[in-house]
Amino acid sequence: EPEVTQTPSHQVTQMGQEVILRCVPISNHLYFYWYRQILGQKVEFLVSFYNNEISEKSEIFDDQFSVERPDGSNFTLKIRSTKLEDSAMYFCASSEDRTIYFGEGSWLTVV
Amino acid sequence: AQSVTQPDIHITVSEGASLELRCNYSYGATPYLFWYVQSPGQGLQLLLKYFSGDTLVQGIKGFEAEFKRSQSSFNLRKPSVHWSDAAEYFCAVVLATAGNKLTFGGGTRVLVKP
Repeated sequence: EPEVTQTPSHQVTQMGQEVILRCVPISNHLYFYWYRQILGQKVEFLVSFYNNEISEKSEIFDDQFSVERPDGSNFTLKIRSTKLEDSAMYFCASSEDRTIYFGEGSWLTVV
Repeated sequence: AQSVTQPDIHITVSEGASLELRCNYSYGATPYLFWYVQSPGQGLQLLLKYFSGDTLVQGIKGFEAEFKRSQSSFNLRKPSVHWSDAAEYFCAVVLATAGNKLTFGGGTRVLVKP
């Protein structure tokens, strides 16, 4: 069964450092997303991406965040200068219609 | 305010017993409805979805959910729980007018007693 894959599964980074989280969406999907889940809180929408541009973003997705589809298979989330409050599980997801499929997540710990 | 509510934070159930997880939403129109499961150390796996039609939907792993418009609910059920069902379960909705942005409930953690 096709699946969304994410790397790394866990990353520890120093505050202020740049982090790139990588994702390979399901191959025939056209919509891509990032969500995050801070420990003990709800899963929150960050951004959606379609046709090589952001289609929607939340208030959380400020100038510190960016997304990119650098080639035909990868989808990345970059956090330019990490803060302690960026520590969370980041989920990549993809869809071809209303049904969204998630990856296993990347735990980001900012110290 | 528009929201998705899962009233039960934790549920403990004996193996072999039935399970029902509650989900309520408050939106003006009927959204698209989903249940996801997150096993320990795993990602979010889609269990089932409701878009329209038959209000009782079947999913994977023996789960089903019933959409009740009058109660704005989409409760998840399983007749006989297995130890492997211990996980966190999330109800989520997409508004037809909100692109594909999922809004999640707070989750219900299910513990299974032997």
